[in-house]
Amino acid sequence: GQQVMQIPQYQHVQEGEDFTTYCNSSTTLSNIQWYKQRPGGHPVFLIQLVKSGEVKKQKRLTFQFGEAKKNSSLHITATQTTDVGTYFCWGDSWGKLQFGAGTQVVVTP
Amino acid sequence: DGGITQSPKYLFRKEGQNVTLSCEQNLNHDAMYWYRQDPGQGLRLIYYSQIVNDFQKGDIAEGYSVSREKKESFPLTVTSAQKNPTAFYLCASSIVVRAPGELFFGEGSRLTVL
Repeated sequence: GQQVMQIPQYQHVQEGEDFTTYCNSSTTLSNIQWYKQRPGGHPVFLIQLVKSGEVKKQKRLTFQFGEAKKNSSLHITATQTTDVGTYFCWGDSWGKLQFGAGTQVVVTP
Repeated sequence: DGGITQSPKYLFRKEGQNVTLSCEQNLNHDAMYWYRQDPGQGLRLIYYSQIVNDFQKGDIAEGYSVSREKKESFPLTVTSAQKNPTAFYLCASSIVVRAPGELFFGEGSRLTVL
């Protein structure tokens, strides 16, 4: 069956550094979404990518959808303490919906 | 303000008891979902509903039941058949299931079985 894999599972980042988290699917995705969950909170929508090769930016966050629509990445530049949380990708494989396991981000001041 | 309301936020249950978690939305969304989250893990889909009086099993439906008698409401019952029910339960909604767009989440219900 379809699987959406996220790597890394944990990411320790020094404040000011950049990092990237990846989401890989075994099947083609019609679209992919990214969510952020702060500790103790609920997931909050960040962005949706639909087109092959699509790149979208939100301030220090850059989201990319692969050409084959099987993978996606989230890149954060100049990490801040407010970036702490778990980042999930959510893939829609033509009606089959699945969250990745998430990347838990810890920021060291 | 539009949104999703889950209750209760915290719930304690003795083994062998059924418990029902409430989820209400005023976003006029057709689709509603229930997810389970265990510590340090991702979200696993329990059930989802695309329309009133219809719902489908997700990946981990065993030991759970749902109903969708009204568009705004999608309660989840955790039955005594669920072997490991202690978890954080999240309800979500979207405009539709196919090409759903953004998922809106409630604040969650944390269930602990004593």
